[in-house]
Amino acid sequence: GAGVSQSPSNKVTEKGKDVELRCDPISGHTALYWYRQSLGQGLEFLIYFQGNSAPDKSGLPSDRFSAERTGGSVSTLTIQRTQQEDSAVYLCASSLAGTGAVYGYTFGSGTRLTVV
Amino acid sequence: RKEVEQDPGPFNVPEGATVAFNCTYSNSASQSFFWYRQDCRKEPKLLMSVYSSGNEDGRFTAQLNRASQYISLLIRDSKLSDSATYLCVVGHNDMRFGAGTRLTVKP
Repeated sequence: GAGVSQSPSNKVTEKGKDVELRCDPISGHTALYWYRQSLGQGLEFLIYFQGNSAPDKSGLPSDRFSAERTGGSVSTLTIQRTQQEDSAVYLCASSLAGTGAVYGYTFGSGTRLTVV
Repeated sequence: RKEVEQDPGPFNVPEGATVAFNCTYSNSASQSFFWYRQDCRKEPKLLMSVYSSGNEDGRFTAQLNRASQYISLLIRDSKLSDSATYLCVVGHNDMRFGAGTRLTVKP
């Protein structure tokens, strides 16, 4: 697509429920990144994919968080048994392979998750 | 210590003012450096890359000091539309973001 697409744009869920957040990167971008931004805070790195592989999962906050990417395209971030502290904007970004750290990333508009 | 640290701000300046933001990073192996701009409730957008020799884009000047692991952004002749949060970003295998500095330009 023309840009990075994320869905849903907003999600309200009850504490303890599982949620899935989707990211559709720019066509041809093989690198994909997930970040989290809590209200008034900076971006927190979660995970990145090169193709379907995730070389660095160090940013995932707990084992309730997981992510996958299939076909080198769409990625899904899953949060199990959501907690109120999971409330944040989840941002996805993509870049051409090997160039993200050179030319920067393009971000999607994010999913605003609210756990009540 | 955070990987990327920025002036906490906020900066409130009048139109036409010159304002400078500073940023330090901890990973000496970092290879790429950027400034991003984030408007309220919007995603970050790339403002400019930062090169070792320093670079300028219109009213914006970025500097990098690898020895001190320090990056700066200078905005001259501030406009109302410059009001935003400015994020310092440092790349190695991926990119790590500072918490951002909020700028408000007032008439």
